[in-house]
Amino acid sequence: SAVISQKPSRDICQRGTSLTIQCQVDSQVTMMFWYRQQPGQSLTLIATANQGSEATYESGFVIDKFPISRPNLTFSTLTVSNMSPEDSSIYLCSVETTENTGELFFGEGSRLTVL
Amino acid sequence: KQEVTQIPAALSVPEGENLVLNCSFTDSAIYNLQWFRQDPGKGLTSLLLIQSSQREQTSGRLNASLDKSSGRSTLYIAASQPGDSATYLCAVYPNDYKLSFGAGTTVTVRA
Repeated sequence: SAVISQKPSRDICQRGTSLTIQCQVDSQVTMMFWYRQQPGQSLTLIATANQGSEATYESGFVIDKFPISRPNLTFSTLTVSNMSPEDSSIYLCSVETTENTGELFFGEGSRLTVL
Repeated sequence: KQEVTQIPAALSVPEGENLVLNCSFTDSAIYNLQWFRQDPGKGLTSLLLIQSSQREQTSGRLNASLDKSSGRSTLYIAASQPGDSATYLCAVYPNDYKLSFGAGTTVTVRA
């Protein structure tokens, strides 16, 4: 398994500002993902964070709005840029460990409220 | 595109009753199926992972079955407790790592 720490756990932000969410894993992992969970909805994959290269974004998500970094095998950041109330969601980091079992583990999430 | 459906959307039972949560998916070409628990405002906790070659997995009071041919998985929770109150999510894992999630079943266990 993996222990995943996300910061911040929650924040209230003003419209037009940007916020960076950090994801730290206690072991090296091959795959890291960022998900969004809008209020009352299930999870939607934003992007796959690739170590040493640009993230792979899903349809409907773009780098200018959600820039992602992954400088090494244990850490990634997601920035939510130029926020609007529609960005109010829980943002979750997810990893697959190097055991290649296919099992995914999630962080506690970062709950953002945009006013 | 893989569609994952969870029925019922909500369930309320008295303590001690067994829980049966259903998950159906449209494309049987899956790699894994994973059941998660989510407490309000929190992240996801992995409960059980069933790989495509398996038919069931068990962990304590939890048992999950998988029938790929019919596109169904069922999560059984025996002798429910108030601490089991949460939303349970089913996620299907195709070969390209892009999990498809169901909308979840919200369970309330009454003391």
